[in-house]
Amino acid sequence: QSALTQPPSASGSPGQSVTLSCTGTSSDVGGYNFVSWYQFHPGKAPKLIIYEVSKRPSGVPDRFSASKSGNTASLTVSGLQAEDEGNYFCSSYAGGSDFGVFGGGTKLTVL
Amino acid sequence: QLQLQESGPGLVKPSETLSITCTVSGGSISRTTFYWGWLRQPPGKELEWIASIYYSGSTYYKSSLRSRATISVDRSKNQFSLQLTSVTASDTAIYYCAKHRTESYRTPLDDWGQGILVTVSS
Repeated sequence: QSALTQPPSASGSPGQSVTLSCTGTSSDVGGYNFVSWYQFHPGKAPKLIIYEVSKRPSGVPDRFSASKSGNTASLTVSGLQAEDEGNYFCSSYAGGSDFGVFGGGTKLTVL
Repeated sequence: QLQLQESGPGLVKPSETLSITCTVSGGSISRTTFYWGWLRQPPGKELEWIASIYYSGSTYYKSSLRSRATISVDRSKNQFSLQLTSVTASDTAIYYCAKHRTESYRTPLDDWGQGILVTVSS
């Protein structure tokens, strides 16, 4: 199972929208509706922000939205806020008995 | 609200066994129908799932680590642990414990510890 591909960095100004991508294959992202997104802040516990492609856990602001097209999943953060700065990792089930695969993460900077 | 906290030595010698523990507070491992898991992130690399365990003791492992990894649960202490044998420098990573969303180990992880850096070096 190969890792998913994420751009290493992205940025946006407060109030703007930014979209992060996560590219896999038909064996993972494209084959299942089990894509998740996690937010990592240094020194804090990681947080699940999206599961099953586009569902938000309770407490996650609706500024976070996500979708999938073919082998690429996308996370959009609207109305960027300083607290959104951090690292975002995608994950997908990839069949078989393993949990799944992760991307290398995108560092989001709020300018 | 659940809180998870990893603990263990930050430095392990090559060929020795890495042992880390996750203490769960704010809820009982025994009274929740979730899987609990360990993941890691080596420096500069992607996250990697290692293993998951159910409160009853049912376990699942990443296929490439199955021969070296053991996950266990101590319900009396509300903890679960990971042992990784014959470690090498490539096992240097931030290790995270986490809870799966549901009673399946294939579901996303919705509660995490902050992570513990374990370095393998002589």
